[in-house]
Amino acid sequence: AQSVAQPEDQVNVAEGNPLTVKCTYSVSGNPYLFWYVQYPNRGLQFLLKYITGDNLVKGSYGFEAEFNKSQTSFHLKKPSALVSDSALYFCAVRDPDNYGQNFVFGPGTRLSVLP
Amino acid sequence: ETGVTQSPTHLIKTRGQQVTLRCSSQSGHNTVSWYQQALGQGPQFIFQYYREEENGRGNFPPRFSGLQFPNYSSELNVNALELDDSALYLCASSSGHSTSYNEQFFGPGTRLTVL
Repeated sequence: AQSVAQPEDQVNVAEGNPLTVKCTYSVSGNPYLFWYVQYPNRGLQFLLKYITGDNLVKGSYGFEAEFNKSQTSFHLKKPSALVSDSALYFCAVRDPDNYGQNFVFGPGTRLSVLP
Repeated sequence: ETGVTQSPTHLIKTRGQQVTLRCSSQSGHNTVSWYQQALGQGPQFIFQYYREEENGRGNFPPRFSGLQFPNYSSELNVNALELDDSALYLCASSSGHSTSYNEQFFGPGTRLTVL
């Protein structure tokens, strides 16, 4: 069965500094990987995904993520953080070989960008 | 193009009651998934409907049931409500079946409180 870990409950970063939100996954085959962001009292918003190809994927709002198969990781990054990036971030995995299984989400990481 | 909508926004029920939550999928999407997000946790997959058929289910008891209609809108029904059912219920729509690499688009959620 697939699973996702986000080892940090909370990440604090100063505005203008680079940010990283970590994600590791476990899946039997080649994974589809996703990042979502959730603002207070809102649903989840899609940021980016990795399906195949280039290990570095770029997404919305200047975010990018790097797929590392050997380390089974898919860390979310941004070169320069904004206060408005403060939110709850979720990593998710889908196993394309496991029909009927949907997205499995990690527990979330709360990002706080300090002015 | 309209996004995913959910109704109602908030709902308060008592133990033992039944509840129906509704979701309208994004235009052009034929797949709807339902998730339960307890406070401070990531979304947990309940089930998915593809072209009006359930084609995937998470680890939820049978008192959680659903429907998808010909216009691809969907309902989530929960019978015999328990206190632990208190959560944010998220609906997500996408195109393609459960092994698709397409991202899901989430509605704002229904906040259910069981007293």
